[in-house]
Amino acid sequence: AQKVTQAQTEISVVEKEDVTLDCVYETRDTTYYLFWYKQPPSGELVFLIRRNSFDEQNEISGRYSWNFQKSTSSFNFTITASQVVDSAVYFCALSEALYNFNKFYFGSGTKLNVKP
Amino acid sequence: EAGVTQFPSHSVIEKGQTVTLRCDPISGHDNLYWYRRVMGKEIKFLLHFVKESKQDESGMPNNRFLAERTGGTYSTLKVQPAELEDSGVYFCASSHAWGTQYFGPGTRLLVL
Repeated sequence: AQKVTQAQTEISVVEKEDVTLDCVYETRDTTYYLFWYKQPPSGELVFLIRRNSFDEQNEISGRYSWNFQKSTSSFNFTITASQVVDSAVYFCALSEALYNFNKFYFGSGTKLNVKP
Repeated sequence: EAGVTQFPSHSVIEKGQTVTLRCDPISGHDNLYWYRRVMGKEIKFLLHFVKESKQDESGMPNNRFLAERTGGTYSTLKVQPAELEDSGVYFCASSHAWGTQYFGPGTRLLVL
């Protein structure tokens, strides 16, 4: 079975605080992709990052960073120095098979509230 | 480049009525997907088109849902007759063959 768990339903922080969103996944496949999407109040799902199962290097993009650990089946997302514009629902997703993104399995999402 | 568009953005209908949702993928994307998020739960896969063919429809809830993609361009998802439990947000996504899926803004469906 495939499953993505985002245990944090909602997180509230004050602007400039760092925040980490957790994502734990389950899969029987050795080849898979992990994703993060952001859903701002406008509703669309905005692609943030894709990682494949063979690349455990952490990635940093500006204030965003991702920590992929196969040993714990986790793909956590950290926002450094959070801003009000980061307020959104964030979804973690899993897709199996290296060459066929045929189906995403999503977590239930984490709502992030960044207060000024 | 225009993103994935969906129409309507919102729909409120009564139980038993029919509703048709439309998705226009990013130009050139052969792969088109439908997903649904019900009552704040996880977003769930409904089906996947490759051009006009249904590649995987394992997530379709029942035969009240009919998806089409004539000509391999835009897609429609019809719910007939609608039930209360069909309420939710319906997302469409598109991608190249091996690419990331890009999502539309969703259609919020409320069945009363």
